[in-house]
Amino acid sequence: AQRVTQPEKLLSVFKGAPVELKCNYSYSGSPELFWYVQYSRQRLQLLLRHISRESIKGFTADLNKGETSFHLKKPFAQEEDSAMYYCALNGNTDKLIFGTGTRLQVFP
Amino acid sequence: DAGVIQSPRHEVTEMGQEVTLRCKPISGHNSLFWYRQTMMRGLELLIYFNNNVPIDDSGMPEDRFSAKMPNASFSTLKIQPSEPRDSAVYFCASSFALEQYFGPGTRLTVT
Repeated sequence: AQRVTQPEKLLSVFKGAPVELKCNYSYSGSPELFWYVQYSRQRLQLLLRHISRESIKGFTADLNKGETSFHLKKPFAQEEDSAMYYCALNGNTDKLIFGTGTRLQVFP
Repeated sequence: DAGVIQSPRHEVTEMGQEVTLRCKPISGHNSLFWYRQTMMRGLELLIYFNNNVPIDDSGMPEDRFSAKMPNASFSTLKIQPSEPRDSAVYFCASSFALEQYFGPGTRLTVT
């Protein structure tokens, strides 16, 4: 079964601290993985896609097939990073399987 | 492109009334998705279409919910009759090559 697990509902850090949002997946094939971000009362926006291997707003994520993980990292958190972050998996269909999300709070 | 457009942005209705939510996907996108977001259940996929054809409606909660996509530029999600537990934010998203683009959502309140 395809599944995405985000173990932390809430992650609180101070500005300037490193951030790691955890995402583990379950899928037997070669998945495509995504991170979406939702700022307060706004739409979800695509943040990262693993195949593009980009850094967006200072965030990076590396697919680790051995650990079936796709953790989102940023070395120095900013207050404007406060948002809801969703990890998502695509298997072999058009739809995405979303995790339950992690709320990141960055305190000044 | 204006992105995915949803209307209305807010809807307040009384229990038992019919509610219709509308979505215009991004031109050229061939898949369209309807999601529901609540604090308790998070983001749930209700139904998705590919080339205007419903592919997976397993997330539709019950017969009170129905969705249509009469053409490539328009989709509706209807709830009839509505109930207070349907109160949520409903998102529409469209995609091309797996990247989904979300609309601003419709915040539905059923009293």
